[in-house]
Amino acid sequence: GQQLNQSPQSMFIQEGEDVSMNCTSSSIFNTWLWYKQEPGEGPVLLIALYKAGELTSNGRLTAQFGITRKDSFLNISASIPSDVGIYFCAGTFNNDMRFGAGTRLTVKP
Amino acid sequence: DSGVTQTPKHLITATGQRVTLRCSPRSGDLSVYWYQQSLDQGLQFLIQYYNGEERAKGNILERFSAQQFPDLHSELNLSSLELGDSALYFCASSARFRDSPFGYTFGSGTRLTVV
Repeated sequence: GQQLNQSPQSMFIQEGEDVSMNCTSSSIFNTWLWYKQEPGEGPVLLIALYKAGELTSNGRLTAQFGITRKDSFLNISASIPSDVGIYFCAGTFNNDMRFGAGTRLTVKP
Repeated sequence: DSGVTQTPKHLITATGQRVTLRCSPRSGDLSVYWYQQSLDQGLQFLIQYYNGEERAKGNILERFSAQQFPDLHSELNLSSLELGDSALYFCASSARFRDSPFGYTFGSGTRLTVV
């Protein structure tokens, strides 16, 4: 099946540091999505990527759709305490969406 | 508030019991999706309904069932509960059947604890 491998599982960083996380798969996807989930809430869409090679930014967040269509990364620059949460990648293929296991981000002030 | 309402927020029940989780989609959305999130896991797709009809099935156990009512709210029924069913259950809604996932709006989830 189309499994997504997301890494790292968790990150503990200092406020102001940059963060990088990625998702890989053995299968290709048509789109890549990055979601953030805060405690007690459902996932909220951060960035959507529509085609291979695409690089998209949303404020301090930047994500790229890998050329092979089998991977994607998310970078967060100059982290702040409210960046804390679990970040999920998701890939879609023929309207089927699969999620990675998430990266739990902790930011120390 | 995302517009997708899930109740209850928390549920604690014993093994072997049966529970019903409820989801009201965002106003105007016809599709409802159910996901299960176990501890430290991603979201596993369970089932999708569109305008009252089942449209897609994921890794949903036979002990689980769902339905979508004429008013478009949906219920997920979990029976013969086991300890391993403890998880967060999310509902998401979107406007159309073949909607891109960009159109999904998630609720806040129901945390089920089976003891």
